[in-house]
Amino acid sequence: EVQLVESGGGLVQPGGSLRLSCEASGFTFSTYEMNWVRQAPGKGLEWVSYISSSGYSTYSADSVKGRFTMSRDNAKNSLFLQMTSLRAEDTAVYYCARGRVGEVPAAPGAYYYYMDVWGKGTTVTVSS
Amino acid sequence: EIVLTQSPGTLSLSPGESATLSCRASQSLSSNYLAWYQQRPGQAPRLLIYGASTRAPGIPDRFSGSGSGADFTLTITRLEPEDFALYYCQQYSSSPRYTFGQGTKLEIK
Repeated sequence: EVQLVESGGGLVQPGGSLRLSCEASGFTFSTYEMNWVRQAPGKGLEWVSYISSSGYSTYSADSVKGRFTMSRDNAKNSLFLQMTSLRAEDTAVYYCARGRVGEVPAAPGAYYYYMDVWGKGTTVTVSS
Repeated sequence: EIVLTQSPGTLSLSPGESATLSCRASQSLSSNYLAWYQQRPGQAPRLLIYGASTRAPGIPDRFSGSGSGADFTLTITRLEPEDFALYYCQQYSSSPRYTFGQGTKLEIK
């Protein structure tokens, strides 16, 4: 069964740090790009960060740039999000999600981009 | 940055009816880059549609997506009780990599 399981969430004070993990199973983790997406209480979805399958390329939303670092260990089928200088507005459920890039069958050279597998999420609360 | 605006914010319908959800982009985008997700209360999002109109594996054919340019639609026919949920459209771009609409809540009338 294809599965993503997040862990590492918790209560942290403003300015503090936290490291989230996401363990993948049921698929060849090293061949997929991955993402973190968060959802603040009662709010919509916000993409946070992306990492390529090799781990060499990463991108982050402006809201977390310079504070959050995404990494992966393909040997251990694991994804990480190191969060520093946490703020109250970082309070959210954090989901890891598998990214898919697929060639459009009728249009060689054109690609689909979407996230097809999601974990159940881990909750981060930033509060004093 | 492309902004996605979903309407309506809340849609109240009865089981058996059909729902039409709209997602409008602030500028034209490739339909290849448009996806729809369903989120039930307390659950993670679930992929419904990618490439604007291709159903994800296991998604019933009651769900269909359409549109191009800047206007996209998710249609759900013969609403079942489990379809009442939040729905998000999402687009891919070079920067930021993904953006979501603010969501449409489909509630039981």
